[in-house]
Amino acid sequence: DTGVSQDPRHKITKRGQNVTFRCDPISEHNRLYWYRQTLGQGPEFLTYFQNEAQLEKSRLLSDRFSAERPKGSFSTLEIQRTEQGDSAMYLCASSLATGVNFYEQYFGPGTRLTVT
Amino acid sequence: QKEVEQNSGPLSVPEGAIASLNCTYSDRGSQSFFWYRQYSGKSPELIMFIYSNGDKEDGRFTAQLNKASQYVSLLIRDSQPSDSATYLCAVKRTTGFQKLVFGTGTRLLVSP
Repeated sequence: DTGVSQDPRHKITKRGQNVTFRCDPISEHNRLYWYRQTLGQGPEFLTYFQNEAQLEKSRLLSDRFSAERPKGSFSTLEIQRTEQGDSAMYLCASSLATGVNFYEQYFGPGTRLTVT
Repeated sequence: QKEVEQNSGPLSVPEGAIASLNCTYSDRGSQSFFWYRQYSGKSPELIMFIYSNGDKEDGRFTAQLNKASQYVSLLIRDSQPSDSATYLCAVKRTTGFQKLVFGTGTRLLVSP
């Protein structure tokens, strides 16, 4: 499977704990995006990387959230001191940044986070 | 006013009919428009994108864009029960901003 992969697919944690999610983009894609989706809503943008540089961050990304893409390949999203309001599906997407098709973003299967 | 608006539905159509899904957006500088299909509990799947005014066809799907009216639509011909899903409209704004702004989605139900 050469699509976007995410790990874990499901995570249940207690309030106050830290969690980390991983995303592996489509291999030739140099842009990687994180979104969050809650029930009944569309995905909301969190942040994006071009190669290893984090170029855009949403105001939704509070100080408790941090994302990295250290070698321009996979990315991690960490949430510190989780709150119940963090419960959501965390989606990763990737795209090319050059060529005809550089606009299209392809999503991974998501990580569903439940904070109890 | 939301940046991207969609009727939440559900839109119910019989099998074989044409389903018409609509989306309006507020930013006149928006340049790229996408339709994603999302089955319950799954992630969004890209099904169509359009950048220029007019129609774009791909199989049973046709995307229509009218930038003057800030309106984009998706037509699904010969609807099948397997098309039952939530359809998300997404908009990319002006150059320099890479994020997609999504509507809340329209739920489509195709009855056999």
